Amino acid sequence: QLQLQESGPGLVKPSETLSLTCTVSGGSVSSSLYFWGWIRQPPGKGLEWIGNIDYSGTTYYSPSLKSRVTISIDTSKNHFSLTLASVTAADTAFYYCGRSWTSANRFDPWGQGTLVTVSS
Amino acid sequence: DIQMTQSPSSLSASVGDRVTITCRASQSISSWLVWYQQKPEKAPKSLIYAASSLQSGVPSRFSGSGSGTDFTLTISNLQPEDFATYYCQQYSAYPLTFGGGTKVEIK
Repeated sequence: QLQLQESGPGLVKPSETLSLTCTVSGGSVSSSLYFWGWIRQPPGKGLEWIGNIDYSGTTYYSPSLKSRVTISIDTSKNHFSLTLASVTAADTAFYYCGRSWTSANRFDPWGQGTLVTVSS
Repeated sequence: DIQMTQSPSSLSASVGDRVTITCRASQSISSWLVWYQQKPEKAPKSLIYAASSLQSGVPSRFSGSGSGTDFTLTISNLQPEDFATYYCQQYSAYPLTFGGGTKVEIK
């Protein structure tokens, strides 16, 4: 059974860089069938797609975040990562990783999520 | 970007009720739509994909319909565990976009 688990600091200072990793178990990030994605949700608000990456490192980003986001993949460690630069309080959110299909970009399963707070 | 508009944003219902949530896309997305259920402090869970296909393990009281721009999620015989927030997401094109959510509360 595929499982995803987010990890990283829960507190980031304004103007610094947020970095999270999603570790995949029960499956391989090297499969050409899937995308691996990041989605976020400010507390009490809706869902926002951040971006996807495939096994070769090809990325797709939300236009609203594209200038600050980098998603990378490490097939040797079976994980993928998110960095978000120059964060502000507006970036405070639950961050989820998820798997989608290259044939159908819907997420299943999702990681449990991790709360990242931007504050000094 | 394709805008996804859900209605209502919240509703109150009783156990046993039939509930309908709608999702409208700003342009045609064929059947490239998924419905998620999210409970407090939990990650979203896929219920219906391709607009009307039931995810494995999801109770048959959940159903989806629609194509093009207008979609519906129906919960028949609402159960206590169904009180949650529901989101639609289009996967017709990048950027992937979500509806604003519909919170189903206990009347």
